[in-house]
Amino acid sequence: GAVVSQHPSWVICKSGTSVKIECRSLDFQATTMFWYRQFPKQSLMLMATSNEGSKATYEQGVEKDKFLINHASLTLSTLTVTSAHPEDSSFYICSARAVDKNTGELFFGEGSRLTVL
Amino acid sequence: GEDVEQSLFLSVREGDSSVINCTYTDSSSTYLYWYKQEPGAGLQLLTYIFSNMDMKQDQRLTVLLNKKDKHLSLRIADTQTGDSAIYFCAEGNFNKFYFGSGTKLNVKP
Repeated sequence: GAVVSQHPSWVICKSGTSVKIECRSLDFQATTMFWYRQFPKQSLMLMATSNEGSKATYEQGVEKDKFLINHASLTLSTLTVTSAHPEDSSFYICSARAVDKNTGELFFGEGSRLTVL
Repeated sequence: GEDVEQSLFLSVREGDSSVINCTYTDSSSTYLYWYKQEPGAGLQLLTYIFSNMDMKQDQRLTVLLNKKDKHLSLRIADTQTGDSAIYFCAEGNFNKFYFGSGTKLNVKP
């Protein structure tokens, strides 16, 4: 199946710093990527939909200035957590849908665990 | 977002069948999915079903969809200890996908 890679897998940062997480589709092109946040023992919460070449669409309650999303190419979307605070600590997962597939399959990255001290 | 609900836990014995249930509210869903998440890992797509289907079988997995009741189930035949994980159902269309809370499946040897 298609491969989606996230980097970094783990990141620890100090409060107030910014952290960038990359999501790459390795063997397919993705016009749309989704960013999710998962709290411990909870489901995935859709944060935003990232469209290549245009602004991301954020879900209600998600601060767009806090979570900056850039989808500059058909294989890369980035999520930047700006001025991170401990409450931003979470597991962030991206997913992508292949351009040439009309089956609706979503492929997920392995996730990035952010810990803010 | 849309409401997708699952029971939180299921415990079965190795070799038995497991049935994980999911209900959703969005009648416009095009696709319904089942994902598996092992500890500390991302999500692995197990199977999916189009909303105009009522059943799909894939080896040990059987998905049943009752569109009228907005109910989706995943049956795992001959459950193995390696099947222990959290199973998420998800529903959506081409633009948005919403996930249930996940059902933690515990398989006892």
